[in-house]
Formats: sequence, C-alpha cells, structure tokens
Amino acid sequence: GAGVSQSPSNKVTEKGKDVELRCDPISGHTALYWYRQSLGQGLEFLIYFQGNSAPDKSGLPSDRFSAERTGGSVSTLTIQRTQQEDSAVYLCASSLAVRTYEQYFGPGTRLTVT
Amino acid sequence: DQQVKQNSPSLSVQEGRISILNCDYTNSMFDYFLWYKKYPAEGPTFLISISSIKDKNEDGRFTVFLNKSAKHLSLHIVPSQPGDSAVYFCAARGGGADGLTFGKGTHLIIQP
Repeated sequence: GAGVSQSPSNKVTEKGKDVELRCDPISGHTALYWYRQSLGQGLEFLIYFQGNSAPDKSGLPSDRFSAERTGGSVSTLTIQRTQQEDSAVYLCASSLAVRTYEQYFGPGTRLTVT
Repeated sequence: DQQVKQNSPSLSVQEGRISILNCDYTNSMFDYFLWYKKYPAEGPTFLISISSIKDKNEDGRFTVFLNKSAKHLSLHIVPSQPGDSAVYFCAARGGGADGLTFGKGTHLIIQP
C-alpha cells in the first residue's frame, strides 16, 4: 500500500509570504503528526491530530503556524508571513492510533525562506 | 533542554564488524524507545523499538539494549553492511509529550 506522501517536496519562498504544506497519511491511520527538522538538529515535534482534532497546539513554534486536518485524512500545515528561521524540512508521520508507538514518516517538504 | 541525546554525530565501522550506536535520555517517564534510520532526501524509517519494561529486543541483525538505571540505550548492528550507511535517530515516547522526542542523530558510515 501507499506510504505517507507530502507535497511539495521542495518549496522556496520569499520572506513574508505564506506557505501551505500538505500531508496525505497512510489510509486507515487515524493519528497524524507534524515534525520539523532544522539543519543539524533532531526532529522537533509540532502538533498531532487524532482524527480531525488537534488537542494540543502548544508545540507550534509561533502563532504564524497553523494546521488542520479534514475528513480524517489529508492535513495541511500553514505558515504565515514566513521568516528565515522557518527554513527546515517539515516531516509528516501517521500511525494507526495515537497510542500506537510506531509512526511512519513521509519524505518531507524542504522549505527555504529567502 | 535536550531530553534525548546522541553524543556521537558520526561513526565509521568496517563492513562485517559490529556497529554500536548509543543514546542517553534524561526523562524517566519515557515508556517506549524507538530507532529510526534515515537516508538522504527520505523520511525516517522505523527500525526497531523497545518497551521500558524490557532490557533487550532483537530483530535479525538489529538488537536494542535498554539500561533504565543508566538511562541509556544502544543499537547493535551485526554484521554491518554497506546499506546500513545512514543517519540513525533515537526517539522516545511519553514523558508528557504527545509526539516522539528525537535525538540529533548519528551518521553511520560503513566502510568496505
């Protein structure tokens, strides 16, 4: 079956512009996670969804970041008024349920803010 | 405040020998630990995991050891193969976090 897919694979944007990153999880996975990996760093957890609900948004780096999930499937991560420090690889993962430990990752979206 | 630490950014091992990747953690509330492998331009791939109630889990060439008293875990790969060259991330679940907490990764290079 298909794995987690993300689009676009690469995005270059000018500082101040808004960007939208998309994640399509594995079919049947109810839990979906967003992570960010900055250069030379580990993966930083941002937010998770159980179904369409995100119980805790405190991991988002600033109020310029928002995420939504519709139909229990596709999720979008939106960054408004991008800054250079937002440059990173944004990774999406899904799992059967939140209590399932193994998360399956997509290939990521490399965001570069110039 | 890094709760999961991989202190070796890189490790070079000869093909056929044992690779040992180390990971330390500080949060005693972590209840599950995972190792992920990552190739360039790809997402991390789940490799092996261990519950905090176990001290060893083995899957083929891969074995993970957990020492709870030392808050230390290690991944052993034997024998090492060229395809094992990748970045390996240690991750932990629990400790009050909703997502996994990752280390910075160790770049494993298998030399022929």
